[in-house]
Amino acid sequence: KAGVTQTPRYLIKTRGQQVTLSCSPISGHRSVSWYQQTPGQGLQFLFEYFSETQRNKGNFPGRFSGRQFSNSRSEMNVSTLELGDSALYLCASSPRGFEEQFFGPGTRLTVL
Amino acid sequence: QQQVKQSPQSLIVQKGGISIINCAYENTAFDYFPWYQQFPGKGPALLIAIRPDVSEKKEGRFTISFNKSAKQFSLHIMDSQPGDSATYFCAATPGWGSTLGRLYFGRGTQLTVWP
Repeated sequence: KAGVTQTPRYLIKTRGQQVTLSCSPISGHRSVSWYQQTPGQGLQFLFEYFSETQRNKGNFPGRFSGRQFSNSRSEMNVSTLELGDSALYLCASSPRGFEEQFFGPGTRLTVL
Repeated sequence: QQQVKQSPQSLIVQKGGISIINCAYENTAFDYFPWYQQFPGKGPALLIAIRPDVSEKKEGRFTISFNKSAKQFSLHIMDSQPGDSATYFCAATPGWGSTLGRLYFGRGTQLTVWP
């Protein structure tokens, strides 16, 4: 089985812009979670989707949003980018959400 | 607040030695405890995981020890190799409830194995 794929792998944006990141889960997995990884805060949970529904959300501002499509692919969007949004954004897929989660390689976002 | 506390922050071990990383948690709803290994520039890779109904799980050189009453679990890497040099994260997730699908991570341990 192919692993979790994320596109793009690298992004450079300027403050105030918006960005959309994409995640394709492992075939058959219906849960997709998103995490932000920074040296200062570690791995922080953004949100989780299961069968196109957001099941839970972490403590991030409303500028961070996501969605999941009927084929389980997911996107996350960050609007009005801030310098502090520079991070590695990781998505993870799981069959139903309460088993093992498998991570993609991440998207490295740099905000200038 | 940090729901999973991990120590040490960094660890230096000689080749062939045993690496031990410890984690503690408070939330009794946690039902699944995975360990991840992350190399620079890569996403975390699932290494080994355990559920609270067993006290130990071994896969090759990697062993998880689990103490349910103390709410602690640890990763032991036997015969540590330079290729094991990476950042290790412990995590926990509930099997039910409103936070289903969410992994709570420790802050990570930077392991360096000297040849």
